[in-house]
Amino acid sequence: NAGVTQTPKFRILKIGQSMTLQCTQDMNHNYMYWYRQDPGMGLKLIYYSVGAGITDKGEVPNGYNVSRSTTEDFPLRLELAAPSQTSVYFCASSLLTPTVYGELFFGEGSRLTVL
Amino acid sequence: GQQLNQSPQSMFIQEGEDVSMNCTSSSIFNTWLWYKQDPGEGPVLLIALYKAGELTSNGRLTAQFGITRKDSFLNISASIPSDVGIYFCAGQIHSGNTPLVFGKGTRLSVIA
Repeated sequence: NAGVTQTPKFRILKIGQSMTLQCTQDMNHNYMYWYRQDPGMGLKLIYYSVGAGITDKGEVPNGYNVSRSTTEDFPLRLELAAPSQTSVYFCASSLLTPTVYGELFFGEGSRLTVL
Repeated sequence: GQQLNQSPQSMFIQEGEDVSMNCTSSSIFNTWLWYKQDPGEGPVLLIALYKAGELTSNGRLTAQFGITRKDSFLNISASIPSDVGIYFCAGQIHSGNTPLVFGKGTRLSVIA
């Protein structure tokens, strides 16, 4: 039972570098999300997707890009890393039906440090 | 946009004590959910509530969907050390593709 898998778990970047956080889910969920969690803080939505080929901005999208070419994968790209992007990133997925809403399944997180 | 006010922000309790935390909003939500995040891991769903007034239990956890649809509470009875973590409330409006709104979390510490 893999669920939501994120890679890498840890990464240190230099300012200005680029990288992609990978996320894949094997539950055939239609919705996928990227959140960031700063130390001692709650979850802030970066981007989300309601299905393959469809993405939408969340609360804090600046500095990030996403794509959803398949149902399973939802990578998050940082183009020019900045210290303000130091955070723990969580990918999540959910299956929305007429009777089930909001039951998100989260990955274990990717801890990113930008120096 | 919608905001959820979760309180308390943190709690220190003795093992065996009961715990209560709540979440309020100025907006009406059609779904309330409670998640728990263990240290170093992603949040895990504890309880989902879909109906105003609904009271649902999951072991020692009990959550209620407020009758006004603007609040929810979570109670933990007879706390144990593994209850340590951050508890998040979340709400959703069933309109279009509106994602969940999360509270800022209640950090629970249990003293043995």
